[in-house]
Amino acid sequence: GAGVSQSPSNKVTEKGKDVELRCDPISGHTALYWYRQSLGQGLEFLIYFQGNSAPDKSGLPSDRFSAERTGGSVSTLTIQRTQQEDSAVYLCASRQGVTGELFFGEGSRLTVL
Amino acid sequence: SQQGEEDPQALSIQEGENATMNCSYKTSINNLQWYRQNSGRGLVHLILIRSNEREKHSGRLRVTLDTSKKSSSLLITASRAADTASYFCATGNYGQNFVFGPGTRLSVLP
Repeated sequence: GAGVSQSPSNKVTEKGKDVELRCDPISGHTALYWYRQSLGQGLEFLIYFQGNSAPDKSGLPSDRFSAERTGGSVSTLTIQRTQQEDSAVYLCASRQGVTGELFFGEGSRLTVL
Repeated sequence: SQQGEEDPQALSIQEGENATMNCSYKTSINNLQWYRQNSGRGLVHLILIRSNEREKHSGRLRVTLDTSKKSSSLLITASRAADTASYFCATGNYGQNFVFGPGTRLSVLP
């Protein structure tokens, strides 16, 4: 696609429910990142996929968070048993190769009531 | 941690003035990048400077990198109201995750 696409753009859920956030990276980009950004804060690294290598999951805050990247393209970030502190904007970015600029999607805003 | 940290956290200037933001990091890097984020939107890449470069220009942007001090600066000249945004530096090495600092919120007053 022309850019990184994320869906949904907004998600409101109740505490305890599971949510899935989707990221469609730019076609051909081998690297994919997930970040979380709380209101007025910086970006918190969550997980990084690079080609067929094992993902870097070092930023996932708890075992309620997981992510997959199927076929080296689309990625899904899953948050199980959501908590109010999970409320944030979840940003996805992709990159061609192992270096260079990141291209960001517009983010998925998650609100946990 | 490679985390970059920008300062100041917030900066308010008049249109036409120059804005300078700084970034410090902790470990060796291959490159450092600056990004801009308008409120509530995704980040946009501004400029990348490699570890063997000391200065780079792009339009009204000037970036410097001092690897001995592990610091970088972003200068925006002749600022405009449209430059109002948050600015982040990001550091990384080949094939590794990119770590962003907390950002500088720039307000350019007309």
